[in-house]
Amino acid sequence: TQLLEQSPQFLSIQEGENLTVYCNSSSVFSSLQWYRQEPGEGPVLLVTVVTGGEVKKLKRLTFQFGDARKDSSLHITAAQPGDTGLYLCAGGGGSNYKLTFGKGTLLTVNP
Amino acid sequence: DTEVTQTPKHLVMGMTNKKSLKCEQHMGHRAMYWYKQKAKKPPELMFVYSYEKLSINESVPSRFSPECPNSSLLNLHLHALQPEDSALYLCASSSAGTVGETQYFGPGTRLLVL
Repeated sequence: TQLLEQSPQFLSIQEGENLTVYCNSSSVFSSLQWYRQEPGEGPVLLVTVVTGGEVKKLKRLTFQFGDARKDSSLHITAAQPGDTGLYLCAGGGGSNYKLTFGKGTLLTVNP
Repeated sequence: DTEVTQTPKHLVMGMTNKKSLKCEQHMGHRAMYWYKQKAKKPPELMFVYSYEKLSINESVPSRFSPECPNSSLLNLHLHALQPEDSALYLCASSSAGTVGETQYFGPGTRLLVL
């Protein structure tokens, strides 16, 4: 069974601060997706990373896939209140159809 | 276009009611999914349809009945639900369901069972 350990589980910061969210596993994933979800809404895909060592940038968000494809990180620079939400990492690779989800990071950015 | 739509957005039902949730995608995806999500928790997979055939049922109680009328539509029929079934129900789709494929989620139906 594949597991994804996501940390931290909760994060409350001030506007303008930087933060990093981590997803770690002892298993290799063929891909890793990051989603952001607001209360009562569905997860919105931010990025998919598939190559070991890959780095992708989306405005102030930087995503990294570990060289061994067992871990990933999401770094947000100069966080804004609009970044508030539940961030989920999800790994694909155990079997068809199934994603392994981390437990999520609930981020609150205070103005 | 990476849009998955779901109706209704909100649903309140009694334990004796029968209702249906609907999901639609026009991305040409051949794998469609139902998930259940409790507040501040990750989604839990319920069912997977691949090429309009049920591929995965994650031991979901029979009061939940999925249906895939065609490659663009996915329904979830609800009957005799329990209050603990109250949750956000998410539909997702992906190209073919192969290993590691990206799944795209709809906005969800927030269900309250009284």
